[in-house]
Amino acid sequence: EPEVTQTPSHQVTQMGQEVILRCVPISNHLYFYWYRQILGQKVEFLVSFYNNEISEKSEIFDDQFSVERPDGSNFTLKIRSTKLEDSAMYFCASKGEQETQYFGPGTRLLVL
Amino acid sequence: AQSVAQPEDQVNVAEGNPLTVKCTYSVSGNPYLFWYVQYPNRGLQFLLKYITGDNLVKGSYGFEAEFNKSQTSFHLKKPSALVSDSALYFCAVRRGSSGTYKYIFGTGTRLKVLA
Repeated sequence: EPEVTQTPSHQVTQMGQEVILRCVPISNHLYFYWYRQILGQKVEFLVSFYNNEISEKSEIFDDQFSVERPDGSNFTLKIRSTKLEDSAMYFCASKGEQETQYFGPGTRLLVL
Repeated sequence: AQSVAQPEDQVNVAEGNPLTVKCTYSVSGNPYLFWYVQYPNRGLQFLLKYITGDNLVKGSYGFEAEFNKSQTSFHLKKPSALVSDSALYFCAVRRGSSGTYKYIFGTGTRLKVLA
């Protein structure tokens, strides 16, 4: 069964450093998403991406965040200058023409 | 605005007993509702969804959910709980138009099934 994959599974970084979180969506899906979950809390929408551009972004997704689909398979989330409060689990999701979003296993980001 | 509420932070149930995890929604128009499960240190796994049709929706792992329009609820149920069902359960509603829908998640309910 096809699945969404994410790398790395864990990332530790220093405050102010840039991080790139990578996702490989399900191959025939066209809609891509990033969500985050601060430890054990609510899952929050960050951004949606379709047709090589951002469709919608939340108030969390400020100028420090960017997304890219560089090569037709990967979908990346970049945080330019990480803050302590960026520590969270980041989930990538993809969707085809059906309503269901399929989530990856997540990247746990820890900012020190 | 579309939202969901999960009124219980935790639900405890004995193995073999029926379980219910509650979710209520607030939407304009017809709701598209989903249940996901999260096991420790894992991603979100899709369980089931309601788009239209029968109010009783069957999903993965023996779970089902009943859409109740008059009560604006979409409670998750299982007739006989297993210890392995212990996990964090999230209800979600679709928000948005065209193809790029996003999910708005509830706060999650931790289910603990006791042996």
